[in-house]
Amino acid sequence: EAGVAQSPRYKIIEKRQSVAFWCNPISGHATLYWYQQILGQGPKLLIQFQNNGVVDDSQLPKDRFSAERLKGVDSTLKIQPAKLEDSAVYLCASSPAPGSNYEQYFGPGTRLTVT
Amino acid sequence: GESVGLHLPTLSVQEGDNSIINCAYSNSASDYFIWYKQESGKGPQFIIDIRSNMDKRQGQRVTVLLNKTVKHLSLQIAATQPGDSAVYFCAEKKYGNKLVFGAGTILRVKS
Repeated sequence: EAGVAQSPRYKIIEKRQSVAFWCNPISGHATLYWYQQILGQGPKLLIQFQNNGVVDDSQLPKDRFSAERLKGVDSTLKIQPAKLEDSAVYLCASSPAPGSNYEQYFGPGTRLTVT
Repeated sequence: GESVGLHLPTLSVQEGDNSIINCAYSNSASDYFIWYKQESGKGPQFIIDIRSNMDKRQGQRVTVLLNKTVKHLSLQIAATQPGDSAVYFCAEKKYGNKLVFGAGTILRVKS
C-alpha cells in the first residue's frame, strides 16, 4: 500500500512570497489533515478535511493560510504572504475516517524555510 | 489550557539497555493516548496506544504505562537498538480524531 505522498520535500522562499504544498493521501482515506511542525516541537493541527469538507480549521491562520481538497482526494496548502515564523515542516496525514479508532498515517513532510 | 508535554528533551542510552521516555498531560478527561516515533526526514510513525481504562499495554519490545492519578504516561523500550534512535512524541487523541502532540524526546542509542 502506497503511503501519503507530499511535494515538494524542501522549499526556500523569501518573506512575503507565496508557496503551495501538495498532498496525496492513501487511496480510499476520507479524512486528511495538515499539521505544522516547528523545529523542536510536536506537530500542530492546522486543518482537517472529511472528504472535500472542512471539519476543523480553528488553528489555521486564515489571514495568510488557505487549504483546499476540491475533489476529496488531493489537497493543497497555501501560504500567502509568508512570514519568517512560518519556517517549519508541513506534514500531511490521512485516515480512513475521523473516528478515534482510525490511525493517522503521516507523509514525509515539506520543509519550508522562509528567509 | 490543556497540554501534553515531556519531562526530558534528550535521552542517551547504551545499545541493549532499556529506555524509558516520560510524558505528562494536564487534561484529566483525556481517554486515549498514542506514542509516535519520528525519524529524521520522516513523518511520525505510530508505535503503540493506550486507553484510559487501561494501566499498561505491551507491544513488540515496547510497553506503555498510564498513571491517571498523576496524569503521567511512559514508553518503555526493551533492549534498545540503534534503529530506535529518533524523536518520540506522546499525543492525546481527542474528539474527531484530532491529535494534540507534546514537544518530544530525542532518544540517542550509543553503540
